[in-house]
Amino acid sequence: GQSLEQPSEVTAVEGAIVQINCTYQTSGFYGLSWYQQHDGGAPTFLSYNGLDGLEETGRFSSFLSRSDSYGYLLLQELQMKDSASYFCAVLLQTGANNLFFGTGTRLTVIP
Amino acid sequence: DAGVIQSPRHEVTEMGQEVTLRCKPISGHDYLFWYRQTMMRGLELLIYFNNNVPIDDSGMPEDRFSAKMPNASFSTLKIQPSEPRDSAVYFCASSGDRVTAFFGQGTRLTVV
Repeated sequence: GQSLEQPSEVTAVEGAIVQINCTYQTSGFYGLSWYQQHDGGAPTFLSYNGLDGLEETGRFSSFLSRSDSYGYLLLQELQMKDSASYFCAVLLQTGANNLFFGTGTRLTVIP
Repeated sequence: DAGVIQSPRHEVTEMGQEVTLRCKPISGHDYLFWYRQTMMRGLELLIYFNNNVPIDDSGMPEDRFSAKMPNASFSTLKIQPSEPRDSAVYFCASSGDRVTAFFGQGTRLTVV
């Protein structure tokens, strides 16, 4: 089977930087994705890492280390609208692909 | 494209009734996923299709659950008979590149 671990909750101040970590144990690992979900909404894609290193998309960056089975999502210049749940998800390849989600980290941005 | 479309948005049914959830994926996407989300268990992958063929249904909780994809533009998830513990938000998602999944707005199912 597979497992993903993320912190359940994080609180940060508006304008600050926050890092959300994700560790995984899987077989047939292909890549790591990050999704954002606001209350009552659907998950939306943020970022994907197929190779080790940092991927930057505006205020959001994501990092992957395959050797450590570890990744993180970095949110800079936090805004109130960033308050949401953030999920890491592993993309697996075991003959075909599926997308397995972690339990999510609830980020609360405070003034 | 209008994105992934799910119907109904909300469903309230009595225990024992059959429930059918519907999904129209984004045109051209080869992958379709059904997820269930609850507070206790998070986002669970139930089943996914590639080119209309079910690839992995190991997440389907019981025989009461079944999913079909008769063509590239339509999929259903059926629960028969439904039970209160099936209450959850059910999401359908589609992907064209195996990396980015686009989710529908979900169906909130309440079984009383």
